[in-house]
Amino acid sequence: SQQGEEDPQALSIQEGENATMNCSYKTSINNLQWYRQNSGRGLVHLILIRSNEREKHSGRLRVTLDTSKKSSSLLITASRAADTASYFCATEGYSTLTFGKGTMLLVSP
Amino acid sequence: DAGVTQSPTHLIKTRGQHVTLRCSPISGHKSVSWYQQVLGQGPQFIFQYYEKEERGRGNFPDRFSARQFPNYSSELNVNALLLGDSALYLCASSPTGSRGSYEQYFGPGTRLTVT
Repeated sequence: SQQGEEDPQALSIQEGENATMNCSYKTSINNLQWYRQNSGRGLVHLILIRSNEREKHSGRLRVTLDTSKKSSSLLITASRAADTASYFCATEGYSTLTFGKGTMLLVSP
Repeated sequence: DAGVTQSPTHLIKTRGQHVTLRCSPISGHKSVSWYQQVLGQGPQFIFQYYEKEERGRGNFPDRFSARQFPNYSSELNVNALLLGDSALYLCASSPTGSRGSYEQYFGPGTRLTVT
């Protein structure tokens, strides 16, 4: 079963705009991670936020975590065409990662 | 530095056959995990191995098995293939198998098509 659920399923924006993706999960977590996948290839780790953190930044990425609402958001600022990909949140269980279904992001030039 | 490598890249098999997929982790990484990703879905956990021992198993039938070798490379075996086994199989490695900062490094995947 999939722990995280991303919203929206798909998002289409213009270059330069910001993209926000949300993730909701069901059980307690140690940390939450975001990954990117280009065209059905391998996943690339973007950022990890621990359960005792509320916000984290990495370059143009900003992740928030609200453990009381069991939700997280990923913000990509000043998007580029190269950001076009699927984005997944993943929660860490005992030695495993549980992924959501992902958000497909399309950034048009 | 080489990342996680997987072979083969693509594979076409017939129902009822078996398949072996291979994975080499990043040098120094002792943990290997396998995931199945069906089109349009997120990856689903199959197995995790750490120091050659199975650390976790997902909700997959016994037709799926895996092992890890002394050099930390790993094989995923699937017997009696079904059409529903068609998917992208992803291997991921990490330095440890313990809880905590569990960032995983993924390989490019093996695309398996069962006809």
